[in-house]
Amino acid sequence: GENVEQHPSTLSVQEGDSAVIKCTYSDSASNYFPWYKQELGKGPQLIIDIRSNVGEKKDQRIAVTLNKTAKHFSLHITETQPEDSAVYFCAASMGLGDDKIIFGKGTRLHILP
Amino acid sequence: SAVISQKPSRDICQRGTSLTIQCQVDSQVTMMFWYRQQPGQSLTLIATANQGSEATYESGFVIDKFPISRPNLTFSTLTVSNMSPEDSSIYLCSAQDPNTEAFFGQGTRLTVV
Repeated sequence: GENVEQHPSTLSVQEGDSAVIKCTYSDSASNYFPWYKQELGKGPQLIIDIRSNVGEKKDQRIAVTLNKTAKHFSLHITETQPEDSAVYFCAASMGLGDDKIIFGKGTRLHILP
Repeated sequence: SAVISQKPSRDICQRGTSLTIQCQVDSQVTMMFWYRQQPGQSLTLIATANQGSEATYESGFVIDKFPISRPNLTFSTLTVSNMSPEDSSIYLCSAQDPNTEAFFGQGTRLTVV
């Protein structure tokens, strides 16, 4: 089955700097890659996603890149703000809305004042 | 977007007892899933709740321990049976339709004493 690896497990960046989280997946049949943000006491919330027919997607300060050949994808957050502090999960699925979602282990992001 | 309500939000249970967690979606959805999230850890898929048929369990999870019902397209339950302290965790349900993102409930925080 699918296996998703995520690095780093913890990341601290100065407010205003950029943060990058990297993930790899094992199953070449996966074609949908969502990123979730989880705040304390809440369920995960989708922040951005990308499908395998796209190499990059951007939404304001957040961008995701996908390298299908290497089977890795990354989350980039620019101009970080205190409210970006949370746990971020990458995930992989065989289809948007069609199949189960397998999660990486998560990255705890700390934005330092 | 779908709104998912989980009940109870938290509970403290005696070992050897069972707890049933309810997941209600505010609209009909094709797929519903149950995840376990141990403190500070990632989400591990327990099973896919299939409407009108037996759930599909992931490796390491069995129906006798985690019976699941899905009587219709808006509702599912997960029972944690014969609980032990190792079952202390957060249990989350999610819902999705084809070509739509997955939505998550707030989770049920279970402590077994």
